[in-house]
Amino acid sequence: GAVVSQHPSWVICKSGTSVKIECRSLDFQATTMFWYRQFPKQSLMLMATSNEGSKATYEQGVEKDKFLINHASLTLSTLTVTSAHPEDSSFYICSARDYSEGRGGYTFGSGTRLTVV
Amino acid sequence: QQPVQSPQAVILREGEDAVINCSSSKALYSVHWYRQKHGEAPVFLMILLKGGEQKGHEKISASFNEKKQQSSLYLTASQLSYSGTYFCGTEMGTSGSRLTFGEGTQLTVNP
Repeated sequence: GAVVSQHPSWVICKSGTSVKIECRSLDFQATTMFWYRQFPKQSLMLMATSNEGSKATYEQGVEKDKFLINHASLTLSTLTVTSAHPEDSSFYICSARDYSEGRGGYTFGSGTRLTVV
Repeated sequence: QQPVQSPQAVILREGEDAVINCSSSKALYSVHWYRQKHGEAPVFLMILLKGGEQKGHEKISASFNEKKQQSSLYLTASQLSYSGTYFCGTEMGTSGSRLTFGEGTQLTVNP
């Protein structure tokens, strides 16, 4: 089955610094990947759609200059949280779909727990 | 447009059944169901693409009423391993490709 790898699994950073999160599709190519954010006991909120070779599409209310997305190849997307603040502390999860198996479900990475102190 | 899930929480004893509902105010291309355990990523359960089509495995199945823009997840003879938060995700329009999740239903199965 499709596997999506996400790193790091957790990170603690100081307020004002930047953090990069990587999302890789290990056994399939993904022209599109999705980034979600989840606060405790809440749903997954779609932040942006990462498109290989073009600009990411951000959801309404998500600051594109703060959450930089780069889809460098067909297997790698990165999310950089710039000038992080405590309110950015959350669980960030990426997902992608393996269309070679037909229109199945999305596979999620294991998530990154970001804590900004 | 975020789909609406109900109930918010369910507590069962092992072996009991449960139904989780998901509805949308807009036309749906597909409905997905996922289960998430605490601190982990969501795990795909099934996708429903056509109106009235049911897909499932073992004791977990689902239905999709395209006209009513509703889907239901059926868990029969629940097991302890079924505990977790269940999310429905919807793709809209004619081609989908952008998944929006409901608020989730927390399911607890007790011995």
